[in-house]
Amino acid sequence: EIVMTQSPATLSVSPGERATLSCRASQSISSNLAWYQQKPGQAPTLLIYGASTRATGIPARFSGSGSGTEFTLTISSLQSEDFAVYHCQQYNSWPPMLTFGGGTKVEIK
Amino acid sequence: QVQLQESGPGLVKPSETLSLTCVVSDSSVNTGHHWGWVRQPPEKGLEWIGSSHATGNTNYNPSFKSRVTISVDTSKNQFSLKVRSMTAADTAVYYCVRHFHPDGSTGFYVDHWGQGTLVTVSS
Repeated sequence: EIVMTQSPATLSVSPGERATLSCRASQSISSNLAWYQQKPGQAPTLLIYGASTRATGIPARFSGSGSGTEFTLTISSLQSEDFAVYHCQQYNSWPPMLTFGGGTKVEIK
Repeated sequence: QVQLQESGPGLVKPSETLSLTCVVSDSSVNTGHHWGWVRQPPEKGLEWIGSSHATGNTNYNPSFKSRVTISVDTSKNQFSLKVRSMTAADTAVYYCVRHFHPDGSTGFYVDHWGQGTLVTVSS
């Protein structure tokens, strides 16, 4: 099983600042990585797939990068609605076996 | 825009079987996508349970495989989850999801989520 590790667990950022979230895979997953945003009491929503492609309707302040085992989600200028938990998920396994990271909570500093 | 809505009991007794249904609106389960379930225990991360296709092809998380069944009902445009031998560790919010299988990849990501339903296991 491919293990996904996210860091940090919690990130305290002021509005308007940049946030950088990390996700590491236990083995190479090429660019088969997705990021999700989850607000309190809500279901996750898809932000990024293919490590760097924004999903429909996702603002340009969200960007993803990386390949292989190291990935980054960057939020260039945090807005109030961006404070949430972010999850990464790999989809490189066969047969299909989705695994998620433990999540990073982005909170207001 | 695909709409997914879970339904089922909010409380299950230990050792019983959980049955959840997800109704799909504004789309068809015959679109070629894989449909499935993800759960999230309170204050914890996301855990993939498995997926099913309208053709009957299924994939399960090995940690659940022996006690989980996911199936698609094309006549009702819905899919379901059964988890046998429930324990307190199965207490979680259960999300029904649609998977997307990108060209060139062996796996799926989730492009649509239901709102989730909390299932508590307690006597």
